[in-house]
Amino acid sequence: AQSVTQPDIHITVSEGASLELRCNYSYGATPYLFWYVQSPGQGLQLLLKYFSGDTLVQGIKGFEAEFKRSQSSFNLRKPSVHWSDAAEYFCAVLPFYNQGGKLIFGQGTELSVKP
Amino acid sequence: DAGITQSPRYKITETGRQVTLMCHQTWSHSYMFWYRQDLGHGLRLIYYSAAADITDKGEVPDGYVVSRSKTENFPLTLESATRSQTSVYFCASSDPPNEQFFGPGTRLTVL
Repeated sequence: AQSVTQPDIHITVSEGASLELRCNYSYGATPYLFWYVQSPGQGLQLLLKYFSGDTLVQGIKGFEAEFKRSQSSFNLRKPSVHWSDAAEYFCAVLPFYNQGGKLIFGQGTELSVKP
Repeated sequence: DAGITQSPRYKITETGRQVTLMCHQTWSHSYMFWYRQDLGHGLRLIYYSAAADITDKGEVPDGYVVSRSKTENFPLTLESATRSQTSVYFCASSDPPNEQFFGPGTRLTVL
């Protein structure tokens, strides 16, 4: 079945430490890929997206993500986490055949940041 | 104001009442979506619309009705609210394959 998996439900990192959030998808063809962030009580905000081309994409707030076709992964990274990065992060894919523009979301990873 | 707005932001209602959640976008995006977000379930698609007068079911449509008479509006109606519909509801819009833009959400409590 087509799916998006975020293996880590909750991650805690220290402020200033590096961060990597994992995302794997299962589709036959490379889909369009997105990372969203949701701060408490807020809607979802797009961090970055991958459609094609360079497999390392830069986003807002110092985040980047790398698409690896061989691993069907699109992991989100940040070299130095700030306390304000504490939020929930969602990976999402839009299948290449574009079923009505419907995004398929992972379950989300909640990030806590220790001082 | 440009963007996507939802109203009300908070709503408390009683079981059996009809409730309508409003969503308005100013980008003239063709697609609009309604999601609910519950702990442990992530985001689940309720209904979506590809254009005015075109709507289709998502993952969890039971108990909900939508309409889209104008491109910019996509109201979601709970015809007879149940406690299981207590949730946070998000509206989104997009022009695929570009990203979806989300509203701020409506927190609905059904007593």
